[in-house]
Amino acid sequence: GQNIDQPTEMTATEGAIVQINCTYQTSGFNGLFWYQQHAGEAPTFLSYNVLDGLEEKGRFSSFLSRSKGYSYLLLKELQMKDSASYLCAVRSSYSGAGSYQLTFGKGTKLSVIP
Amino acid sequence: DTGVSQNPRHKITKRGQNVTFRCDPISEHNRLYWYRQTLGQGPEFLTYFQNEAQLEKSRLLSDRFSAERPKGSFSTLEIQRTEQGDSAMYLCASSLASTGVAGNTIYFGEGSWLTVV
Repeated sequence: GQNIDQPTEMTATEGAIVQINCTYQTSGFNGLFWYQQHAGEAPTFLSYNVLDGLEEKGRFSSFLSRSKGYSYLLLKELQMKDSASYLCAVRSSYSGAGSYQLTFGKGTKLSVIP
Repeated sequence: DTGVSQNPRHKITKRGQNVTFRCDPISEHNRLYWYRQTLGQGPEFLTYFQNEAQLEKSRLLSDRFSAERPKGSFSTLEIQRTEQGDSAMYLCASSLASTGVAGNTIYFGEGSWLTVV
């Protein structure tokens, strides 16, 4: 089975930096994803990590440690429009083959305040 | 390219009725996925197609649920004899069949909201 944990809610100030953590347990690992989802809208792809380390893309960075089953999403220079849910998702592998299903966490609702 | 398109966007149905949702993926994407999401939860995987072949199905996909992608383009998800527990947002997504970031960037549609009364 798989289990993904992330905080339920976070609050941060406009212009600040926020780090959203995600821990996972999976029987096989084949990539970790971060998605942004505004209320009532579809999830939007933010990042994909399959190797250890930091991936940077503009104001967003994502880090992965496979040995620790841990990832974080770092948002810099927060803007009001960043208020959304941030979903951590893991793709598993089995029997040496890749699975294309993603297992999502429940999401972290981020509120950016002035 | 208009992205992943789903319809209807909203459906209210009585318990016991059948409903069908349609998904049109991004045109060059040959991988297509269906997920279900309820309030306060992340999306849950239902099924996956590569072209017209249904390659993965979740145990969540009971006998009342069936998905098809007959020509490897659009897909339909049918729910028979709907139950109140089926009320959720049904999300379709698509991606390219390639490796690396391009193959792992999964694009979601706006979703189809189902309310069973």
